[in-house]
Amino acid sequence: EAGVTQSPTHLIKTRGQQATLRCSPISGHTSVYWYQQALGLGLQFLLWYDEGEERNRGNFPPRFSGRQFPNYSSELNVNALELEDSALYLCASSPGDLGGWQPQHFGDGTRLSIL
Amino acid sequence: AQSVSQHNHHVILSEAASLELGCNYSYGGTVNLFWYVQYPGQHLQLLLKYFSGDPLVKGIKGFEAEFIKSKFSFNLRKPSVQWSDTAEYFCAVNGYSSASKIIFGSGTRLSIRP
Repeated sequence: EAGVTQSPTHLIKTRGQQATLRCSPISGHTSVYWYQQALGLGLQFLLWYDEGEERNRGNFPPRFSGRQFPNYSSELNVNALELEDSALYLCASSPGDLGGWQPQHFGDGTRLSIL
Repeated sequence: AQSVSQHNHHVILSEAASLELGCNYSYGGTVNLFWYVQYPGQHLQLLLKYFSGDPLVKGIKGFEAEFIKSKFSFNLRKPSVQWSDTAEYFCAVNGYSSASKIIFGSGTRLSIRP
């Protein structure tokens, strides 16, 4: 089966701009998760969508937002980009289960570089 | 609040050495526990998981982990490592709650000398 796909692979922006990252989950998966992997900080949870609804959110400012479309694909939007937003952004998907029992399958990530 | 600690940031071993990577978590309830691996240039992959039952969990590539509830630990082990095990390893915990979110440790980089 096709895995989680993310686009673009690499995105270069300048401070103050807006970035949009995209994710297509594995077919049949309804939950999509976004993570930020910043240098030295490990993975940090950003957002969780299931069935088009935001289910949970990590400790990130409101300029990090997203949405999930009816086909379960998802977008992560980052407004007013700051230098510290430079990181690898990972998307993961799992079968919809609000109990969180299902392990997540990860994409290759989008490398966001802020100049 | 949930948290996951991986105390070893970088571990360097020779081939055939035994491996144990520490993982401790903080959560006041039932948890699901995971180990993920990220090989150089690849995406994160599930290594093994614990949901319930036998606390000794066996995963892919000869890895295993033991859930010790009294110590809030889920250490990853492998009796004899190979050069191909060079990767970054992440421990993760997810509380048994519909509002719970998965929390990852900061990762342990494993380097194997051939």
